[in-house]
Amino acid sequence: KAGVTQTPRYLIKTRGQQVTLSCSPISGHRSVSWYQQTPGQGLQFLFEYFSETQRNKGNFPGRFSGRQFSNSRSEMNVSTLELGDSALYLCASSLGQGLAGVYNEQFFGPGTRLTVL
Amino acid sequence: AQSVTQLDSHVSVSEGTPVLLRCNYSSSYSPSLFWYVQHPNKGLQLLLKYTSAATLVKGINGFEAEFKKSETSFHLTKPSAHMSDAAEYFCVVTPYNNNDMRFGAGTRLTVKP
Repeated sequence: KAGVTQTPRYLIKTRGQQVTLSCSPISGHRSVSWYQQTPGQGLQFLFEYFSETQRNKGNFPGRFSGRQFSNSRSEMNVSTLELGDSALYLCASSLGQGLAGVYNEQFFGPGTRLTVL
Repeated sequence: AQSVTQLDSHVSVSEGTPVLLRCNYSSSYSPSLFWYVQHPNKGLQLLLKYTSAATLVKGINGFEAEFKKSETSFHLTKPSAHMSDAAEYFCVVTPYNNNDMRFGAGTRLTVKP
């Protein structure tokens, strides 16, 4: 069974641009969550999608948005990029709704490393 | 509000010796607690989780953790370290309603031969 895939793996953008990251969950998984990992702030939860609806949201500005398609694939968009958005963005999928895999274990992808210049 | 504190940013052990990674949490309600491991250039992998069942939780690769409510701790242990255990470890807390999750800052484990 293929794992969670994220594309692209590496991305370089400049300030003010926007970026879209993609996440394909494990086949059959309906929940996709996104996380940001930076040296300064550590790992932070961005949002969770289940059945094409955002179910939970972390404390990030509106520049960070996402969506989920009917095949459970998810995209995350960041508009008006800032230097501080440079990070590793992780995606995780699980069978059912709910964060951190309390009832459903989350499986993480390798991440997309975004560098903002 | 909830938070988690990993007391050591870096732990170094020799192969074959015990591992102790410390985590204290703060939560208004009964939390769920997790330990994840991240190897270089890889995503996170769940090691174990506590969800108000047994206080001693056994995970993969010989790791276990004990939930101590009186001490608000959830320390991760392993009797004998292996070279492949070298990685970054994260303690995570979620509230009872599972609508948020907070990560610790991480503990980097180094295993010396």
